[in-house]
Amino acid sequence: AQTVTQSQPEMSVQEAETVTLSCTYDTSESDYYLFWYKQPPSRQMILVIRQEAYKQQNATENRFSVNFQKAAKSFSLKISDSQLGDAAMYFCAYRSNNAGGTSYGKLTFGQGTILTVHP
Amino acid sequence: GAVVSQHPSRVICKSGTSVKIECRSLDFQATTMFWYRQFPKQSLMLMATSNEGSKATYEQGVEKDKFLINHASLTLSTLTVTSAHPEDSSFYICSARDNGGGSDTQYFGPGTRLTVL
Repeated sequence: AQTVTQSQPEMSVQEAETVTLSCTYDTSESDYYLFWYKQPPSRQMILVIRQEAYKQQNATENRFSVNFQKAAKSFSLKISDSQLGDAAMYFCAYRSNNAGGTSYGKLTFGQGTILTVHP
Repeated sequence: GAVVSQHPSRVICKSGTSVKIECRSLDFQATTMFWYRQFPKQSLMLMATSNEGSKATYEQGVEKDKFLINHASLTLSTLTVTSAHPEDSSFYICSARDNGGGSDTQYFGPGTRLTVL
């Protein structure tokens, strides 16, 4: 079974600064997706960024970028120019792309990291 | 992105009663929906996978007779918590899988807060 680990229960950053959230995962599969989701106080899950495992290039979405290290099974999220609206709980998630497997399509989430942004 | 709605957003019920939560994909068809449970400041735990036109598949440790799932159409899945007890109080979140057009993305509903007295 796949596991996702976020070792930082809480992180804080000053507004306009940069912060990196860590995520590691364990899998024996080669075809999968990785995601970062944001859950603000409203508790609505919002997709921040996704990475296909077969792509070597790191995904970027405006101020959000990832550092995907497939061999190390590491998938960190960098938030640049942090804004007050970035304050939320962030979840790293794994999804198998093995159509023949029992976990196909299911998301496995990490424990989450609470991000505080200081003005 | 696509929109998924959940109803109700909050529900309070007495112990022993049943509660139904609806999950709808508003602008796409979803053959697969997922139901999660989340306790405060914790992660989302997958309860079951809801498949349109067939039985749901439950994760280990989830009582299928207690958490009844029906996926009667391509845009609606329902979760019924039967004979609810205070320990069932939690935040329930659904997601719907949009795999049309090659995107294959899960979109989440806003969640339902269940309080059992």
